[in-house]
Amino acid sequence: AQSVTQLGSHVSVSEGALVLLRCNYSSSVPPYLFWYVQYPNQGLQLLLKYTSAATLVKGINGFEAEFKKSETSFHLTKPSAHMSDAAEYFCAVSDRNTGNQFYFGTGTSLTVIP
Amino acid sequence: GAGVSQSPRYKVTKRGQDVTLRCDPISSHATLYWYQQALGQGPEFLTYFNYEAQPDKSGLPSDRFSAERPEGSISTLTIQRTEQRDSAMYRCASSLAGAATDTQYFGPGTRLTVL
Repeated sequence: AQSVTQLGSHVSVSEGALVLLRCNYSSSVPPYLFWYVQYPNQGLQLLLKYTSAATLVKGINGFEAEFKKSETSFHLTKPSAHMSDAAEYFCAVSDRNTGNQFYFGTGTSLTVIP
Repeated sequence: GAGVSQSPRYKVTKRGQDVTLRCDPISSHATLYWYQQALGQGPEFLTYFNYEAQPDKSGLPSDRFSAERPEGSISTLTIQRTEQRDSAMYRCASSLAGAATDTQYFGPGTRLTVL
């Protein structure tokens, strides 16, 4: 079965600073990878996904993530944090073979300090 | 509809009661998922539907949990004889065709509290 590890349940950055949220997966076959964001009282919203095209994936709101097979990682970055980026971020994987089960990490809560 | 909706948004019930949660997916979407999200955790897969078929219910924690989607659109998740450990956010998502690369669109969730 797939699993996802998000290092750091809480991350704080200053407004304008680099955002780095970490995600590692465990699978012998590279899965499909997703980042979702959850704002308070809202459902999860897709930020970006990797489906085996380009390894550097650009998403909404200036976020991007790079798939690194050698490191089994899919870290999420944004060059300059904005106050509106404060939210919960979830990394998720789906299995290329079975497809229909998605496995989510435990989430990282991002705080942006003015 | 324009997005995935869920009702009720909040449900408080007493231990031992039955509850039914409802999900209305995006109208063009074939696949519907149910997740359970405990506080401080990510969503955990419960079950999914392709139209009215339910190919996988391996994530349902016990036989007290059941789900249906009789006409391939709206789905309900029923928990019988609720227990305090069932307290969680229950999330519904839908996707166009259920492929592994498809984006899942999530509803706002139902917060269930079992007293």
